[in-house]
Formats: sequence, structure tokens, C-alpha cells
Amino acid sequence: AQSVAQPEDQVNVAEGNPLTVKCTYSVSGNPYLFWYVQYPNRGLQFLLKYITGDNLVKGSYGFEAEFNKSQTSFHLKKPSALVSDSALYFCAVRDGHNFNKFYFGSGTKLNVKP
Amino acid sequence: DAEITQSPRHKITETGRQVTLACHQTWNHNNMFWYRQDLGHGLRLIHYSYGVQDTNKGEVSDGYSVSRSNTEDLPLTLESAASSQTSVYFCASSESGNTEAFFGQGTRLTVV
Repeated sequence: AQSVAQPEDQVNVAEGNPLTVKCTYSVSGNPYLFWYVQYPNRGLQFLLKYITGDNLVKGSYGFEAEFNKSQTSFHLKKPSALVSDSALYFCAVRDGHNFNKFYFGSGTKLNVKP
Repeated sequence: DAEITQSPRHKITETGRQVTLACHQTWNHNNMFWYRQDLGHGLRLIHYSYGVQDTNKGEVSDGYSVSRSNTEDLPLTLESAASSQTSVYFCASSESGNTEAFFGQGTRLTVV
């Protein structure tokens, strides 16, 4: 069965420090992987995606994510966190066999403290 | 610019009433989705559509229905609203294949 797991409900990091938000997935076909960010009272905004090619993908607002096929992971990273990065982050996967459906993780709340 | 809009943004209704939430997209996407977001559950798929006249049940479809009469709209109807349906509802659309989905701003529904 297709699924996405975000093992941390919350991640706390100090401004200026690197951040990592974890995501693991399970799909039957080739995975298409996405990260979204949600600010309070807003919809989800697309950050970045992995389809194929380089395992390190770069996205909006200085975020990047690393695809690891052997560990079935797609962790979101940023070298230097900003207070304005504080938000709810969702990982999602689209199955290459049934690519019209998206499966979302439960979300990770990122808190960046000054 | 293309967009996806939901209305209303906020709605309070009484138990037992029928409620319809609107979703309209100008991306000309074939795929449209309805999700509900609840604390501790993330996003759960209610219904989805791959094109006009096509509708499919998601993981939490009981008590909800959708119809797709054109490409742009996928209204979500709560047949008889229940307190358990108090939630934030998101509509999304996408192309087929490996592209990302685009989300509306959400509708906060309270059933009293």
C-alpha cells in the first residue's frame, strides 16, 4: 500500500542553524515526491519535487531535499533556518503506477526560534 | 494567472443540514481532489475526479458526495452535516503524471 510517514510531529531549531524535516515513503511503482508548506490559515504551497535525476533537488525559499532510494526517504533540508520558515510542512508521494493520486504525510510543525 | 478558489472561506451550519462547498479552478486540470485536514491526521482524501463525469471515493468518503459536470468545478456536498465533519476542507487540482498539485485556500466548516 502507498503511504508517507513523517516521524516527527514537531521540529525545533534555532535561527541560523541547519534544519531537517524527515519523510519516508512506500509506493509500488516509481515515486514522485513532493514537499509542501502551510502557513496559518492558508492552503498548501508547493516547495519542491523529485521526479528523476539528481538526488538533491532545490526548491523555493532556499529549501532542498535529498532523495534516498535505498532508505526510501526524502528529507527536507535548509542550511540556515529563518524565523519566517516556521510553518507546517507536508511530504507527499505520487505513485508511478497510479500517478493520479497523492498520498500525504501527517505533517511536521517546524518552529524556528530567534 | 490561473488559480483555484474555494468558497465560502468559513461556514457554520447546523447538524442535519445539507451543505455544499465550492471549488473552481482555471488551470484546466483534469484531476481534482477534496481533502479534509484535522489535527493529528494530516490531509485525508475524501473524493477525487479524473475528468468530467468521473468521481471516485477516497479514504473518508462516508457522508460526502461530489459531482463533476465540467472541467473547472468539483463541488463537495455534505448530505446531512454531522459534528464529526467539523474540519478544514481543501480542494486541489493537478495535471496527470508527475506534476505537483495546486491547492485552494481552504474552507473552515463548523457543524453545531
